[in-house]
Amino acid sequence: DTAVSQTPKYLVTQMGNDKSIKCEQNLGHDTMYWYKQDSKKFLKIMFSYNNKELIINETVPNRFSPKSPDKAHLNLHINSLELGDSAVYFCASSLRGVSTGELFFGEGSRLTVL
Amino acid sequence: AQTVTQSQPEMSVQEAETVTLSCTYDTSESDYYLFWYKQPPSRQMILVIRQEAYKQQNATENRFSVNFQKAAKSFSLKISDSQLGDAAMYFCAYRSATSGTYKYIFGTGTRLKVLA
Repeated sequence: DTAVSQTPKYLVTQMGNDKSIKCEQNLGHDTMYWYKQDSKKFLKIMFSYNNKELIINETVPNRFSPKSPDKAHLNLHINSLELGDSAVYFCASSLRGVSTGELFFGEGSRLTVL
Repeated sequence: AQTVTQSQPEMSVQEAETVTLSCTYDTSESDYYLFWYKQPPSRQMILVIRQEAYKQQNATENRFSVNFQKAAKSFSLKISDSQLGDAAMYFCAYRSATSGTYKYIFGTGTRLKVLA
């Protein structure tokens, strides 16, 4: 069973389109994240939800809108895609307040904007 | 704000040899976690090792060990008996144990090449 799963794994689209990436975790975690990894492999946090509440909202264009229908799901919708949005987007989850503190990652979704 | 710095963009090691990857961080907090994650070409992020700041003993996981120097804010990863499968990007990460946002902050990564 995949602990953190993202769909789709690969996404190729044209500039100006709107696309969504979905994420689900079956670990019973209460906190989920979206990270963006650019071409230089730098990992930057975008958003985080704890029990459906937005707790981290970094400096991200308004074109990016996260949504968490429940604590096991976190989706990312991107409007009016731009070339600079091309990256790998990672979903991750953790259990807040637990001593292990580990962050579990999905396999990533590679977005290519043409 | 907390920061994590990995000053080695790339490192090479001969198979079966030992290599150390450096990581420094900046924080005013006393309670936090530190991690090393591995990202092979498959791009899956895999936890290698974890250290709680309140523990003085350095964490070890088989061939992987850390040198945690809290006063110096240093957290290096030592890989012993390097194997070809260790070739990957390695990321150092920090997470506060007390901050309400539980933000994980990553360094810029070190690409490790293992030479046969």
